[in-house]
Amino acid sequence: DAKTTQPPSMDCAEGRAANLPCNHSTISGNEYVYWYRQIHSQGPQYIIHGLKNNETNEMASLIITEDRKSSTLILPHATLRDTAVYYCIVRSSNAGNNRKLIWGLGTSLAVNP
Amino acid sequence: DAGVIQSPRHEVTEMGQEVTLRCKPISGHNSLFWYRQTMMRGLELLIYFNNNVPIDDSGMPEDRFSAKMPNASFSTLKIQPSEPRDSAVYFCASNQQMGQGVGYTFGSGTRLTVV
Repeated sequence: DAKTTQPPSMDCAEGRAANLPCNHSTISGNEYVYWYRQIHSQGPQYIIHGLKNNETNEMASLIITEDRKSSTLILPHATLRDTAVYYCIVRSSNAGNNRKLIWGLGTSLAVNP
Repeated sequence: DAGVIQSPRHEVTEMGQEVTLRCKPISGHNSLFWYRQTMMRGLELLIYFNNNVPIDDSGMPEDRFSAKMPNASFSTLKIQPSEPRDSAVYFCASNQQMGQGVGYTFGSGTRLTVV
């Protein structure tokens, strides 16, 4: 399974864009990149996922490099409620029923007023 | 949709006692996952089910842990006997199997404290 590398912590000013990087240099061709976040004392929350094209939804944008070895999650206008730990995960290949997500330590994002 | 429902939210028990954690997945989801989260080890997958059948239990720490899914709408994680090192937050998650790229929905977790 491909592993990911994220900075342990980041700060962002409220109202500004938060850009969270993730390195997944060993990703294979059929593996997706997922982003989740976990707000304190809550369960992880799905944000977005992508394979090779950039993706956008109501929560965030996901930019994946052409070689797919890294990606960036963008929160366009961060609010205090976006303070959380953000996990970048590469999903193990869907061989049969193998559908585990391998979780790293994530990036602790602090949005400051 | 009420989401993934876990109970209890908090459990405090004495060492040696049996603990049962419960999970109701989202209706229509046919995959269910049990995770454990601690400060030291982060999120760890314990076991997951597909169509009520256990697929991979390699993350279950030892024989004291067992999980069942008697039907599509209910699963339990049991620890017997419990030990202080089992103290953690236990999460249940579910999703649909069909297709790549489907996100998981997590419950709010059960915070277990074994004293």
